[in-house]
Amino acid sequence: AQSVTQLDSHVSVSEGTPVLLRCNYSSSYSPSLFWYVQHPNKGLQLLLKYTSAATLVKGINGFEAEFKKSETSFHLTKPSAHMSDAAEYFCVVSDRAGNTPLVFGKGTRLSVIA
Amino acid sequence: DTGVSQDPRHKITKRGQNVTFRCDPISEHNRLYWYRQTLGQGPEFLTYFQNEAQLEKSRLLSDRFSAERPKGSFSTLEIQRTEQGDSAMYLCASSRLQGAFQETQYFGPGTRLLVL
Repeated sequence: AQSVTQLDSHVSVSEGTPVLLRCNYSSSYSPSLFWYVQHPNKGLQLLLKYTSAATLVKGINGFEAEFKKSETSFHLTKPSAHMSDAAEYFCVVSDRAGNTPLVFGKGTRLSVIA
Repeated sequence: DTGVSQDPRHKITKRGQNVTFRCDPISEHNRLYWYRQTLGQGPEFLTYFQNEAQLEKSRLLSDRFSAERPKGSFSTLEIQRTEQGDSAMYLCASSRLQGAFQETQYFGPGTRLLVL
């Protein structure tokens, strides 16, 4: 069985300050982990994914995440928030072979204050 | 490559009516997924196809729901005798299985269903 816990339902940061969105996972398999972003009235867009290579994964728009097996965490970070980063972010787990469907967390809404 | 498309984007229906949604995946993607997202929640898996075969169905998929992918290309999701609890965003995603590993799932814009 797989599950994801996003530790914050809402995070608010000031423009130009760092972003940290926290995610813990549980998986019976060697996991693949993803972060997707959903802007209002737009589809889900992949930010980054971890499959089995480097534990520090770089994604689009300056986001990155670090896979920590010992802590079962996959937190998303960005050094400096931009207004356009305001959106809903989902941490997602799957097995590496894709034989189980994606399991989404409940999401973290990121607000960026000018 | 135009991405995953879904039709319609919005649907309002009365309780008890049947509705059908269509998903066109990225061409040559052999896997197609349906998810449902309710307000304030992450998407939840409903079912998926590999080519035309439906390989898995979630317990969320009641008898009123049926999905098809007749030629391994587009897919339809039908809900019969809709209920107010069916109101949600229905998302489609596609991916390519190459060898033993699945590539990234790409999502469509979704169909938002409102049952009155």
